[in-house]
Amino acid sequence: AQSVSQHNHHVILSEAASLELGCNYSYGGTVNLFWYVQYPGQHLQLLLKYFSGDPLVKGIKGFEAEFIKSKFSFNLRKPSVQWSDTAEYFCAVNALTGRRALTFGSGTRLQVQP
Amino acid sequence: EPEVTQTPSHQVTQMGQEVILRCVPISNHLYFYWYRQILGQKVEFLVSFYNNEISEKSEIFDDQFSVERPDGSNFTLKIRSTKLEDSAMYFCASSEGVGEGGTDTQYFGPGTRLTVL
Repeated sequence: AQSVSQHNHHVILSEAASLELGCNYSYGGTVNLFWYVQYPGQHLQLLLKYFSGDPLVKGIKGFEAEFIKSKFSFNLRKPSVQWSDTAEYFCAVNALTGRRALTFGSGTRLQVQP
Repeated sequence: EPEVTQTPSHQVTQMGQEVILRCVPISNHLYFYWYRQILGQKVEFLVSFYNNEISEKSEIFDDQFSVERPDGSNFTLKIRSTKLEDSAMYFCASSEGVGEGGTDTQYFGPGTRLTVL
């Protein structure tokens, strides 16, 4: 069975600091990878996704993520965070076997201090 | 921008009662999903629905759960006899259904918080 690990449960940064949130998955086959964000009081929104091709994918609001197949990782990065990036971030995976169910990580709560 | 909507935002029920959670997926989407998140735990997949039938379901989605598309716009999750452990946030999602497998993006609603007393 697939599983997704997000090792950082709560991250506190100052504005303009760089961000990297870890995501590792356990599945040996081809996967689709997603990062979702949930701002306070709002619904889950897609930040970016990776299916194939360039392993460095760019998403909305200046976020990017790098797929490293050998490390089973899909870490989220942003060079300079803003107070408005305060949110919970979820990594999700599904296997490219015709299934659509997403397997989510436990989420990372990011708090950006002004 | 079209959004998935869910009603009610919060539902309180007594153990053993039936509840129906409602969702309006994005209008041109073909796949519909339910997920849940128990407080402090991960978001978990329950079921997906396509062409008026269940296309995938998880181990959580047992006989006390059912889904239905009663009309052209609504998608419902029914819990037949609620238990304390059904207390959770329930998220509806929809996707266009393009591409192979799970390559299309799932758009989530704001969730319904179900509290079972």
